[in-house]
Amino acid sequence: GENVEQHPSTLSVQEGDSAVIKCTYSDSASNYFPWYKQELGKGPQLIIDIRSNVGEKKDQRIAVTLNKTAKHFSLHITETQPEDSAVYFCAASILGNAGNMLTFGGGTRLMVKP
Amino acid sequence: EAGVAQSPRYKIIEKRQSVAFWCNPISGHATLYWYQQILGQGPKLLIQFQNNGVVDDSQLPKDRFSAERLKGVDSTLKIQPAKLEDSAVYLCASSLGIYTEAFFGQGTRLTVV
Repeated sequence: GENVEQHPSTLSVQEGDSAVIKCTYSDSASNYFPWYKQELGKGPQLIIDIRSNVGEKKDQRIAVTLNKTAKHFSLHITETQPEDSAVYFCAASILGNAGNMLTFGGGTRLMVKP
Repeated sequence: EAGVAQSPRYKIIEKRQSVAFWCNPISGHATLYWYQQILGQGPKLLIQFQNNGVVDDSQLPKDRFSAERLKGVDSTLKIQPAKLEDSAVYLCASSLGIYTEAFFGQGTRLTVV
């Protein structure tokens, strides 16, 4: 089955700096890669996703890049703000007839210091 | 648009007791998922429904866990009997269809003592 590794497990940045979180996956058939933000006591919230036919996607301060050959994808957050502090999860799935069964990474706790 | 609703928010039970969680997906969402999130880890898929049929339950510990989705809308997840290692947050998610993004509820935090 799919295995997703995520690094780093914790990341501390100064407000205004950029943050980068990296994930690798094992199943070359995976074609859908979402990122979720989880705040304390809440469920994961989808913040951006990318499909395997696209190499990069951007939405305001966040961007995701995908390297299918190397089987890794990354989340980039620019101009970080204190409200970006949360746990971020990457995930991978084979989006198709079997549905969208996500395999999650272990999470990255991002702390943005004012 | 209302999100995925789950209840209860918190539950504390003794080991060997039974417990049930309820999920109401986003209106019109045909696909429903249950995930288990142990503290400090990413969510792990337990079961996926498409309407009222099971698509995948390969990671559901069927000796103690069961789930149903009657009428293809609400779903319940049951644990009987509970073990200490079942302490976790149980997340329900739904998606419009099998090719679309999943949205999560706030989860039910279960503590087994």
